[in-house]
Amino acid sequence: DADVTQTPRNRITKTGKRIMLECSQTKGHDRMYWYRQDPGLGLRLIYYSFDVKDINKGEISDGYSVSRQAQAKFSLSLESAIPNQTALYFCATSDSRGLAGGTDTQYFGPGTRLTVL
Amino acid sequence: AQSVSQHNHHVILSEAASLELGCNYSYGGTVNLFWYVQYPGQHLQLLLKYFSGDPLVKGIKGFEAEFIKSKFSFNLRKPSVQWSDTAEYFCAVKISGTYKYIFGTGTRLKVLA
Repeated sequence: DADVTQTPRNRITKTGKRIMLECSQTKGHDRMYWYRQDPGLGLRLIYYSFDVKDINKGEISDGYSVSRQAQAKFSLSLESAIPNQTALYFCATSDSRGLAGGTDTQYFGPGTRLTVL
Repeated sequence: AQSVSQHNHHVILSEAASLELGCNYSYGGTVNLFWYVQYPGQHLQLLLKYFSGDPLVKGIKGFEAEFIKSKFSFNLRKPSVQWSDTAEYFCAVKISGTYKYIFGTGTRLKVLA
């Protein structure tokens, strides 16, 4: 979905390096999420944010941090990358303000393929 | 703990064959249900969703899914697949009133021309 963009699309880095993945959206959604996708494991939630001042850990937040710089921007950082953080990372958005409290449908960005050597 | 099970990890079909992908979830309360598709090299796209009402929902590209509450299932179907349906399919459950989206592990579908 072109309304959710992620940069970079691919990144190769070395163990111990700090990495930032960025996500921007033009959908005007209030909620944003970071997932990682691993083969055979599906998508697992790293962090989620319901608005700029509301950031929460997901099921696998260890080793990651996030920043919600604005409603439209949500960055994921790996402070000291390790090889088992090699994965495909997706940003997603959703809108809580639709009918009956929100549609709950998530819209995904194109993903960032991160390789940690 | 809540979970979503997709029983078929890999499915290979010939064009025009019928498709059914299973999805079961473990949660006794109110849920919203989704199927997403990920074409090779692309991001996840919404295929269809169920929130309430008619348990048979129709999505894009001829896909449909049926919510059977008593079986905690939301199986995806298509009467006649095409080569372009080759993709990975994810079932997802959103626990109503929470942030929690739970994704299944995905089913890789390969359609032979």
